[in-house]
Amino acid sequence: QVQLQESGPGLVKPSQTLSLTCTVSGDSISGGSYFLSWIRQSAGEGLKWIGRIDSSGITNYNPSLESRVTMSVDTSKNQFSLRLSSVTAADTAVYYCASEHYVMVRGLIVSNFDFWGQGSLVTVSS
Amino acid sequence: DIQMTQSPSSLSASVGARVAITCRASQSISNYLNWYQQRPGKAPKLLIYAASILQSGVPSRFTGSGSGTDFTLTISNLQPEDFATYYCQQSYSTPPITFGQGTRLEIK
Repeated sequence: QVQLQESGPGLVKPSQTLSLTCTVSGDSISGGSYFLSWIRQSAGEGLKWIGRIDSSGITNYNPSLESRVTMSVDTSKNQFSLRLSSVTAADTAVYYCASEHYVMVRGLIVSNFDFWGQGSLVTVSS
Repeated sequence: DIQMTQSPSSLSASVGARVAITCRASQSISNYLNWYQQRPGKAPKLLIYAASILQSGVPSRFTGSGSGTDFTLTISNLQPEDFATYYCQQSYSTPPITFGQGTRLEIK
C-alpha cells in the first residue's frame, strides 16, 4: 500500500520560505515515471493545486504561484520537496502531497490523485 | 483557468436517501473529471475518475455521470459515513488543475 507523508515546520514567518518534504513509502519513485503534486487547502481558497513534479525532475506549476514555487525530487530518499518563497498570511493552509495516477480510459489518458498524504498545517505568522 | 462550480454548496439529507451533486465546468472538459470525498481532518479520497469510473474499493452506491461541461455525483442509500464534503476536479487543461469549491453533505 502506497503511503505519502508530509513533513516540515508548522510555523513560518512572513517573507520567509516555506519548505516541506513528502516521503513516499510502499513504492519506488525511481522505478519509472512517478508524478507527485502539491495541493493546499485553506478556508479562503478551498483546494488549490500548487504544481507537480515527476521522478525525473520535470515540473509544472500553477501560474498564480509560479514565481515563488520550487519543487525538487531526491530518488535516493524516495522524497519530493516543496519550497514556497516570500510567504504571507495568505499562504497559511494545510499542504498535501498527492500521487498523480495516469490511466487510459476509452482512448483518453486521464489522471487522478489516488494517494494523498495526511496533510501538514503551515501557519504564516510572526 | 477552467472554473469548476459545484451546486449546491451544502445540503442535508437523511440516512437511506438519494442525493445528487452537480459540477459545471467553464468550458468543455470531455470526461476529465474526478470526484473526491473529504471527511473532517482527513485528506480527500478519490471516489470516481474519468467522470464515471468507480475507484477500486469505493461502494457502488456512488455513481458519476456527465460529459463536456456538466457532471453529476449521485449517492444512493446514504450511509452515516457518507456525510462529508465532496469536490470535483478537472484535469483537462493543465496547468493548472482546478477543483470545485466543495459541497457539504450533512445529516438531516
